[in-house]
Amino acid sequence: AQKVTQAQTEISVVEKEDVTLDCVYETRDTTYYLFWYKQPPSGELVFLIRRNSFDEQNEISGRYSWNFQKSTSSFNFTITASQVVDSAVYFCALSELSGNTPLVFGKGTRLSVIA
Amino acid sequence: DAGVIQSPRHEVTEMGQEVTLRCKPISGHDYLFWYRQTMMRGLELLIYFNNNVPIDDSGMPEDRFSAKMPNASFSTLKIQPSEPRDSAVYFCASSPLQALGRTEAFFGQGTRLTVV
Repeated sequence: AQKVTQAQTEISVVEKEDVTLDCVYETRDTTYYLFWYKQPPSGELVFLIRRNSFDEQNEISGRYSWNFQKSTSSFNFTITASQVVDSAVYFCALSELSGNTPLVFGKGTRLSVIA
Repeated sequence: DAGVIQSPRHEVTEMGQEVTLRCKPISGHDYLFWYRQTMMRGLELLIYFNNNVPIDDSGMPEDRFSAKMPNASFSTLKIQPSEPRDSAVYFCASSPLQALGRTEAFFGQGTRLTVV
């Protein structure tokens, strides 16, 4: 069965600090997809990134970067030089291809960036 | 495109009353999902549809919950009778017809349900 674990329930950092949000997943599939979503205080879920299991290249988008390591079943998310607007709940999610499964989400990590 | 549209945004109802949540998916999307978000359990999948047909409803917590998708542009989630423990944010999401796992789901703004 697929499972996503985000061990960090809450993180608090001071503005301009770097912060890494951890995500560990479990799956029996060889082909799967990993996602990160952001949920700001307004409540909507905003898609950030999708990564398939065959692409282990790290990705950078502005201040955001993602580190995918199949060896440790992890897909961690780093925010560089954090800003107050980054304060949100961040969800990691997994979808298996063979079972054609919808997204299974982790419990989320609440990030607070303090000015 | 306006995105996934849910109504109402907020609903307060008394225990025992029927509640109906509504969703309009993105046009052209063939998959529709209902998720529930609570502090204790996070985001849980309740049910999902493909081409208006329910595929997996194993996440529906009880018989009090039912969902329908009468056409490609509309779905409802009904709770009858409602109970205080049903209080949560209910999200509807849709995704296009590709191999399901290859695309992200696009979420609506959610309906915050409070049952008193």
